Amino acid sequence: DIQMTQSPSSLSASVGDRVTITCRASQGISNYLGWYQQKPGKVPKLLIYGASTLQSGVPSRFSGSGSGTDFTLTISSLQPEDVATYYCQKYNLAPFTFGPGTKVDIK
Amino acid sequence: QLQLQESGPGLVRPSETLSLTCTVSGGSISSVIYDWAWIRQPPGKGLEWIGTISYTGDTYYNPSLQSRVTISVDMSKNQFSLNLSSVTAADTAIYFCARQGTWTATVDWCFDYWGQGNLVTVSS
Repeated sequence: DIQMTQSPSSLSASVGDRVTITCRASQGISNYLGWYQQKPGKVPKLLIYGASTLQSGVPSRFSGSGSGTDFTLTISSLQPEDVATYYCQKYNLAPFTFGPGTKVDIK
Repeated sequence: QLQLQESGPGLVRPSETLSLTCTVSGGSISSVIYDWAWIRQPPGKGLEWIGTISYTGDTYYNPSLQSRVTISVDMSKNQFSLNLSSVTAADTAIYFCARQGTWTATVDWCFDYWGQGNLVTVSS
């Protein structure tokens, strides 16, 4: 099965900073990747699908890129409400594996 | 607005079967565009996909759980269910049900609607 890794596992940044999270697949998955945001105590929320397509209603400061094995989620200007854990998820084939998550908080 | 709601016991004894039901409201479970999934999250840990079912009853399971998992659908009640047998403490988690797109959905095979989650503790 394809394994998903994320880096860093956690980060702390200031409001207004540009934040980048990396997701890597152990084999190529084309652009079959989604990103989710899970705020503390809340349900995960789909942010991006197809590696780069923003889900309806998601702020434009979020963006995704990548294809094959390497992907990034970028928050162009970190806001206090972005404190959350972010997960990538592959869906080229089952199993639909999630990455281990990246916890983002405010410095 | 589509809503999903998990229901079931919050405590299950070791070696017994965990059974949860997800009730879908605000939309039909009988869709060729969407499938229906179970995902779990142990306390303080990450997300683990358990399995997915289509309205026709086709299923996909996580290989790590396949021998213990059964997911079924009841279109008459607009519900789908999870059975996980021979549970241990390692199965203690919040169990989420979710709607999953397919290749014809806008969101591809991602999970776009989630229930609030049902914490299940495995303990004697």
